[in-house]
Amino acid sequence: DTAVSQTPKYLVTQMGNDKSIKCEQNLGHDTMYWYKQDSKKFLKIMFSYNNKELIINETVPNRFSPKSPDKAHLNLHINSLELGDSAVYFCASSQFVTGNQPQHFGDGTRLSIL
Amino acid sequence: EDQVTQSPEALRLQEGESSSLNCSYTVSGLRGLFWYRQDPGKGPEFLFTLYSAGEEKEKERLKATLTKKESFLHITAPKPEDSATYLCAVQARGGGTSYGKLTFGQGTILTVHP
Repeated sequence: DTAVSQTPKYLVTQMGNDKSIKCEQNLGHDTMYWYKQDSKKFLKIMFSYNNKELIINETVPNRFSPKSPDKAHLNLHINSLELGDSAVYFCASSQFVTGNQPQHFGDGTRLSIL
Repeated sequence: EDQVTQSPEALRLQEGESSSLNCSYTVSGLRGLFWYRQDPGKGPEFLFTLYSAGEEKEKERLKATLTKKESFLHITAPKPEDSATYLCAVQARGGGTSYGKLTFGQGTILTVHP
């Protein structure tokens, strides 16, 4: 039983295209996150949603648009892909109540821009 | 701005050779410090949360400790299966648009040779 699942696992596309990454969690958590891990392996938060409401919105180009249809799903849509968008994108989830609950991560989507 | 620095960047050990990984942090009020393990091609896997200086947690061959400025992950008699990247992250107090945000270090790549 996968707790946090992302699709697709690999995404290879050309510059200028629009693509989406989907994330689903079956942990019953109410908060979900998107992180970007660059080539130097730094994990950096992009967005978080709590019960479908945007909470964290870091300095991310507005070509990136998260959407949360319900608290178990958080998708990431990227418009006009650029070379610098190549990275691994991780989805995570946690229970929001006290704010210090551990976040559980999916296995990532490796995005490669040609 | 919250900052996390991990050292060393890479650590090679012989099986059974105990050692420690360091995580130095600066944060405007610590809500929690988290340790994760990341295997190649996988997402970070939660290990420990530490909340206050002096706290210690153990799991199998791993023991995490916390002071006001740093955390250590002690590995006792490591085995080859302990080889992975170990990530440290902090969560600051405060709410609003930073609530739940994790700031990660760059990780320590641990290799344990048989």
